[in-house]
Amino acid sequence: DAKTTQPPSMDCAEGRAANLPCNHSTISGNEYVYWYRQIHSQGPQYIIHGLKNNETNEMASLIITEDRKSSTLILPHATLRDTAVYYCIVRALSSGSARQLTFGSGTQLTVLP
Amino acid sequence: DGGITQSPKYLFRKEGQNVTLSCEQNLNHDAMYWYRQDPGQGLRLIYYSQIVNDFQKGDIAEGYSVSREKKESFPLTVTSAQKNPTAFYLCASGERMINQPQHFGDGTRLSIL
Repeated sequence: DAKTTQPPSMDCAEGRAANLPCNHSTISGNEYVYWYRQIHSQGPQYIIHGLKNNETNEMASLIITEDRKSSTLILPHATLRDTAVYYCIVRALSSGSARQLTFGSGTQLTVLP
Repeated sequence: DGGITQSPKYLFRKEGQNVTLSCEQNLNHDAMYWYRQDPGQGLRLIYYSQIVNDFQKGDIAEGYSVSREKKESFPLTVTSAQKNPTAFYLCASGERMINQPQHFGDGTRLSIL
């Protein structure tokens, strides 16, 4: 799986959009980009994933650059409950198999009141 | 509600004892996973199972054992051979289909008395 690089920490004002970047310059064509977050002492929570098109769900939007070497997770209206460590993961899946997720250091997002 | 239930939330073990961590899912997922998380670190895979009655070792399987007798259940035993068992243990499940994400329980925190 391709390696990802994320800033170690970011702050965001409550109510504003939080934009979390992730660099995955060695990504290959069959690798998806996944985002999870982990609030202290809880299990990781799945947020969103995508291959090459931008994706949106009720939690967030995922913007993947055209060359797929980087992506941005957008939380449109951050709340205090969004304070967590956010992990960007690149993972390849072959048909019929299920492989482990490799979590890096992530980005500690702190939403400020 | 569908989800993954881990129990207990906190567990204490005496030196030389085996302990078993429970993981149950009602998401009808084929694949289940056990991860270990140490403070300030990412997740490391202990064992995973893609189907009932089958499981494979992950990166740090020594000192641990698992069983998969039912689709819904994937208990993890931390044996006395695991010399540094104090950690946060996370169970996850997922579909075997391409690109589907893993979903996590809320974890069990194991401490040595």
